[in-house]
Amino acid sequence: EVQLQESGPGLVKPSQSLSLTCSVTGYSITSNYWGWIRKFPGNKMEWMGYISYSGSTSYNPSLKSRISITRDTSKNQFFLQLNSVTTEDTATYYCASGRRVFDYWGQGVMVTVSS
Amino acid sequence: QITLTQQAESLWISPGERVSITCRASQSLLYTDGKHYLSWYQQRPGQTTKALIYHASVRTDGVPTRFIGSGSGTEFTLSIEHVQPEDFAIYYCLQTLKSPSTFGSGTKLEIK
Repeated sequence: EVQLQESGPGLVKPSQSLSLTCSVTGYSITSNYWGWIRKFPGNKMEWMGYISYSGSTSYNPSLKSRISITRDTSKNQFFLQLNSVTTEDTATYYCASGRRVFDYWGQGVMVTVSS
Repeated sequence: QITLTQQAESLWISPGERVSITCRASQSLLYTDGKHYLSWYQQRPGQTTKALIYHASVRTDGVPTRFIGSGSGTEFTLSIEHVQPEDFAIYYCLQTLKSPSTFGSGTKLEIK
């Protein structure tokens, strides 16, 4: 059974970086695509980006140069880093598998940006 | 980027009824392979988000047959026949035809 689990701090200060980890079990991240999605208060959802089985990445242009998705294949984990956060980045962050269809999702982790 | 519009923010229905949730795209979601890159997802509190339908009308493994996806071009519908108590949730459509992938605004199914 494929399972994804997000982890990371629930509170980040404005202007700092948000860093999250997605731990995957039941499937190797050297296959398929692995991405990040966030849900804002009010239910709006935004696709943030993905890292592919080969390590290539694709990002939402709305996040410009603030986002980076990397991975550690030895631990079967991939990571999200979002720089220069503001209160507008307060959201629940999900990791998910797939590119055309998001097959499996994590439970999500709520991140608040506040001083 | 492609905009997806889910007109209804909330729908109130009684268990056992049939409901349809619509999703309109700002451009056709038909690719040259003949498939529509439109999928539907269910979010329930305390549960992981579940993929219900992909390519507009194909149910993912294990999804009950009461969930029906239909539509083409720019107009798509998720229908649920004989709504069960566990179906009260938020439903999103998603397009993955063109990057960035984009979601509809979500439709919350609520008990009348």
